[in-house]
Parts: sequence; structure tokens; C-alpha cells
Amino acid sequence: AQRVTQPEKLLSVFKGAPVELKCNYSYSGSPELFWYVQYSRQRLQLLLRHISRESIKGFTADLNKGETSFHLKKPFAQEEDSAMYYCALSPSGYSTLTFGKGTMLLVSP
Amino acid sequence: GAGVSQSPRYKVAKRGQDVALRCDPISGHVSLFWYQQALGQGPEFLTYFQNEAQLDKSGLPSDRFFAERPEGSVSTLKIQRTQQEDSAVYLCASSPLTANTEAFFGQGTRLTVV
Repeated sequence: AQRVTQPEKLLSVFKGAPVELKCNYSYSGSPELFWYVQYSRQRLQLLLRHISRESIKGFTADLNKGETSFHLKKPFAQEEDSAMYYCALSPSGYSTLTFGKGTMLLVSP
Repeated sequence: GAGVSQSPRYKVAKRGQDVALRCDPISGHVSLFWYQQALGQGPEFLTYFQNEAQLDKSGLPSDRFFAERPEGSVSTLKIQRTQQEDSAVYLCASSPLTANTEAFFGQGTRLTVV
């Protein structure tokens, strides 16, 4: 069975500081990995997916198959980045998502 | 509407009561998912529809939970004889088709069983 682990419940940084939200996964095949974000009073929405290799709102995430990790990074955090971030996994060719427990990112001025 | 719509947004049920939660997916979306999110946890998969076919219901926690999507559009999640442990946010998501396309989520229904 697949599992997604986000070891930090809360990450608090100052504006302009680098951010890394950790995500580790376990799955026997080659999964697709995603980061979803939920801003205050808004619905859960896709931030980025590893197959797109894109940078959204300054965030990037690299899939490391050797370490089974998919950490989310941003070099300079902004206050508007404060939100709940969920790492999620989908088995190849099947779109049901397995989520981690989430990490709350708080960016202070 | 442009997004996934869920109703009601909030539901308080007395223990033992039956509840029905509705999801209106984005028009034309083939895939529809239900997730349960307990307080402080990530969403957990309940069930998956492709059009009107329920292809996976492995996440439903008990036979008190039942979901349907009879015409391949609107879906209803029904919980019979609610219990306190059913208290959670129930999320619905839809996507155009399988194979790792983006899932669009609704605002959720917060169910509180008292």
C-alpha cells in the first residue's frame, strides 16, 4: 500500500527566508507526485505536479526516486504563501490520490 | 458555476440519523472522487466513479456509507445511522479523465455528529 509522510505539522519562517516542506513516500511502482495547497477559507487546489517540472508561484519540487522524496522548495517566502500544503501520490495510470497529513506554512513579516 | 459545488456546506446530525451529501462536479468531468478529512489529517479516499460506474469503493469505512452517481453527473454520499467518528469534512473532487490529470475540489461539507 502507498503512504505519504509529511514530518512537519507546522513550519514557521520569516518573509524572505528559504522554505522547504518535506515529503517522503512509499510505493512499489513509479507514482505520480503532486503538491496541493489550501489557503485560508479556500478550497484545496493543485500547486504543482512532478511530471510537469514547472515552477508555480516560485515553488519547485524535484522527485528523488532514490530517497523517495518530493520536497517543496521556495528560495524567498512571501506572506501570501501562508497556507496548508499537502503532498499527494497517485499510482501510475490511476488517479486516486493518497495524501499526507499536511504541513501548515506560516510566513511572518 | 465554474467549480465543483457541494451542499450542504455544514451539517449537524444527531447520532443515529441518516445524512445525504451532494456533489455537483464540473460539467463534462468523467471522474468523481469522495474523500473524508478528519480534523488535523489529510484527505482520505472513500470512493471513485467514472461516469455512473463506481469503480472503487475500497475506502468506504463501513457498510453504513453508500455513494451513487446514477446519471454520471451529480453524486450523493449517504451515511446511515451516523456515529460520532463520522464527524469530518467530506470533499468531492472531479477531473476530466483518469491518468493523473488535475483533480478539482469542492469546498467540502463539514459534518458534525452530536
